[in-house]
Amino acid sequence: DQQVKQNSPSLSVQEGRISILNCDYTNSMFDYFLWYKKYPAEGPTFLISISSIKDKNEDGRFTVFLNKSAKHLSLHIVPSQPGDSAVYFCAASDQGGSEKLVFGKGTKLTVNP
Amino acid sequence: DADVTQTPRNRITKTGKRIMLECSQTKGHDRMYWYRQDPGLGLRLIYYSFDVKDINKGEISDGYSVSRQAQAKFSLSLESAIPNQTALYFCATSDSSGGQALLSPQHFGDGTRLSIL
Repeated sequence: DQQVKQNSPSLSVQEGRISILNCDYTNSMFDYFLWYKKYPAEGPTFLISISSIKDKNEDGRFTVFLNKSAKHLSLHIVPSQPGDSAVYFCAASDQGGSEKLVFGKGTKLTVNP
Repeated sequence: DADVTQTPRNRITKTGKRIMLECSQTKGHDRMYWYRQDPGLGLRLIYYSFDVKDINKGEISDGYSVSRQAQAKFSLSLESAIPNQTALYFCATSDSSGGQALLSPQHFGDGTRLSIL
């Protein structure tokens, strides 16, 4: 039973446009959510996080939105750049921190010049 | 310089062999984790350690063991490797020293690609 779902294995966008990556979760106890970016042959790199007490968090070109009632979060990248091409993982924790993360399967983003 | 270093980066071995994957960190973090990633899947937690004397099983600990030799070192062992343990293995660290684990994401090494024939 997959608790964190990223239903789109891949996404392709044009440079300069918005990229929207989606993530759904089933465990209502999750209270902390993170996005990681992964390039080939490298480990995942932390991108941005949000706690359940918020519905939005911004960091530069990256914004994460959380809709607790729908158990849905999304990552917006504006504007998208070719260097953003990577696999993006959504992760969630139910212990008020990142001690035990549950990951989605990832979405491969390709930003075309 | 990598803050979380995994060795080896690649390993090919045979069924039944004992394998040890090592992880060391210079970040000064107290918490360490081992994950595996299979193709098309997300990362799954194998074991985690909140300090040297604290070891906990994760989602998929069967067939694995760990040792936290020091705050900076956390090794993963496969006592008798089997082909379905072929995967990409990641070590991660996080910091709870500020009492705000909520604000401390996990930081990952670059992984060990393990192939068991």
